[in-house]
Amino acid sequence: NAGVTQTPKFQVLKTGQSMTLQCAQDMNHEYMSWYRQDPGMGLRLIHYSVGAGITDQGEVPNGYNVSRSTTEDFPLRLLSAAPSQTSVYFCASSYDQGNYGYTFGSGTRLTVV
Amino acid sequence: GENVEQHPSTLSVQEGDSAVIKCTYSDSASNYFPWYKQELGKRPQLIIDIRSNVGEKKDQRIAVTLNKTAKHFSLHITETQPEDSAVYFCAASKETSYDKVIFGPGTSLSVIP
Repeated sequence: NAGVTQTPKFQVLKTGQSMTLQCAQDMNHEYMSWYRQDPGMGLRLIHYSVGAGITDQGEVPNGYNVSRSTTEDFPLRLLSAAPSQTSVYFCASSYDQGNYGYTFGSGTRLTVV
Repeated sequence: GENVEQHPSTLSVQEGDSAVIKCTYSDSASNYFPWYKQELGKRPQLIIDIRSNVGEKKDQRIAVTLNKTAKHFSLHITETQPEDSAVYFCAASKETSYDKVIFGPGTSLSVIP
């Protein structure tokens, strides 16, 4: 049981480049979310999904896209990277986010130059 | 939407003393309140949670209390130890809704030996 796996762990992008942050879980969790963590800002929700084929926006969705074609995978796409997207990104999953806590991935540290 | 505030932002205590972190939430429909601990450079991990039908919950040295009327909940850590030093996040969500989990901005706790 690997839990929640995020790749890559570190990434440096140039402004305007695009990339996909990968997230996979093997716990058959329905709920998955992407958060970004910035100093003093806590964990801010980017997008979330309550099951395959269903996604919705969080607090800070601009500049990011998601899709959920399978229960296991929830990739986050940066369309055109900007320095303001420099952050640590966490993927998280839960069996039932209203009753159980999240299991977090190990994070992706992204720097946009 | 839901808004979660957390105080204090930083907290420093002597080893053996107690620490209290307080959170308030805005959406009266929220009824599940988890707490996460994040050690430096690591992922957040669930440490305790409370649901709206419970006023207090304890797990060894940590406890959470909930006041639904006032819309606030608190984390209490007794007999603090250096390994309690971390950032603590509170969160709020709805138990049965396909809804988002919103985090507070975090409290950095330092336990001084």
